[in-house]
Amino acid sequence: EIVLTQSPDFQSVTPKEKVTITCRASQSIGSSLHWYQQKPDQSPKLLIKYASQSFSGVPSRFSGSGSGTDFTLTINSLEAEDAATYYCHQSSSLPQTFGQGTRLEIK
Amino acid sequence: EVQLVESGGVVVQPGGSLRLSCAASGFTFDDYTMHWVRQAPGKGLEWVSLISWDGGSTYYADSVKGRFTISRDNSKNSLYLQMNSLRTEDTALYYCAKDGEMATIWGFPNSWGQGTLVTVSS
Repeated sequence: EIVLTQSPDFQSVTPKEKVTITCRASQSIGSSLHWYQQKPDQSPKLLIKYASQSFSGVPSRFSGSGSGTDFTLTINSLEAEDAATYYCHQSSSLPQTFGQGTRLEIK
Repeated sequence: EVQLVESGGVVVQPGGSLRLSCAASGFTFDDYTMHWVRQAPGKGLEWVSLISWDGGSTYYADSVKGRFTISRDNSKNSLYLQMNSLRTEDTALYYCAKDGEMATIWGFPNSWGQGTLVTVSS
């Protein structure tokens, strides 16, 4: 099973800041890495697919990069509505797996 | 618009059984792999299982293998999860999710339902 490790687990940030969340895979997964946003009491929503492809309707301040074992989700000019938990997810190998999540708090 | 509506979540005793259902609409159901993903209270997401678009392939997380069975009825646009030998650690909100790619098991969940809560407790 591929283990995904996100960092940090928690981050408190101010609006308009730039945020970077990383996800490291325990073995190479190519570009089969996807990012989700989950707000409290809501279902997860897809932000980025295949490491860097923005999903339809997602604001342009969200971007992804990386390949192999190291991946990054970047949020430029953070907005208050971005307070959420962010998860990476791999579909390269079965069973599919998620990272443990990164909770973003807006100051 | 894709709609996924889960049902069947209840309180059940350890060792018991339960069947979850997911009614799908707004897309061609038999073109897509479907997933179950769960989230224990206050915890992160855990992928549980997938079934291919034609029902011919199924895969499970190690934590549920041998106890849970995923199935689908394409004539009814419905997905199911039969859960046996339930444990307290199976307590979670169970999400049904549609895959983002057609006719492949190598895609990813891209549309999610609202979830149905399963509580395993004596």
